[in-house]
Amino acid sequence: KQEVTQIPAALSVPEGENLVLNCSFTDSAIYNLQWFRQDPGKGLTSLLLIQSSQREQTSGRLNASLDKSSGRSTLYIAASQPGDSATYLCAVKVGSNYQLIWGAGTKLIIKP
Amino acid sequence: KAGVTQTPRYLIKTRGQQVTLSCSPISGHRSVSWYQQTPGQGLQFLFEYFSETQRNKGNFPGRFSGRQFSNSRSEMNVSTLELGDSALYLCASSSGQSQETQYFGPGTRLLVL
Repeated sequence: KQEVTQIPAALSVPEGENLVLNCSFTDSAIYNLQWFRQDPGKGLTSLLLIQSSQREQTSGRLNASLDKSSGRSTLYIAASQPGDSATYLCAVKVGSNYQLIWGAGTKLIIKP
Repeated sequence: KAGVTQTPRYLIKTRGQQVTLSCSPISGHRSVSWYQQTPGQGLQFLFEYFSETQRNKGNFPGRFSGRQFSNSRSEMNVSTLELGDSALYLCASSSGQSQETQYFGPGTRLLVL
């Protein structure tokens, strides 16, 4: 059974710092892995999607990597800003269906 | 292009009642998925509809059901509400291709008293 873990559960850093969020999964047989952000009381916004055949994806100040063999993904945020404060969730798509298995999220606070 | 919309945004019900939530996907998207989010269990997959057919289902009791209409709009219904059904219900749409991301609506926050 696929399980997704995100560490740490919460993180608080000063503005301007680079930071890394971690996501691990137990079964390497995944279709893809996605990173989302969720702002309080709101839905989810897709940040990056990495296909199983890819090693990384980049969008602006965000870079996500995927190592299927070790069951790990990292989300790197460069030059953090207060607007980056949110909960970041990773999810893996398993099998040929469209079920996403979710981590519990990392709550990120960027202090001005 | 308009995003995913969900109605209502907030809902208060009492135990034993039933509720219907609605989701309108992005134009052209044929797949709609539903998720339940609670502080204790996190995000859990309910079911996915594609072209009016339920294509996948999560591990929820039969009180949770859904349907999709020919215009891809979807509804989910929860009967005999329990206190534990209080949650944020999220709907996501996509074209239905396995490699694509899903686009989420703002959610419906349901409170069961």
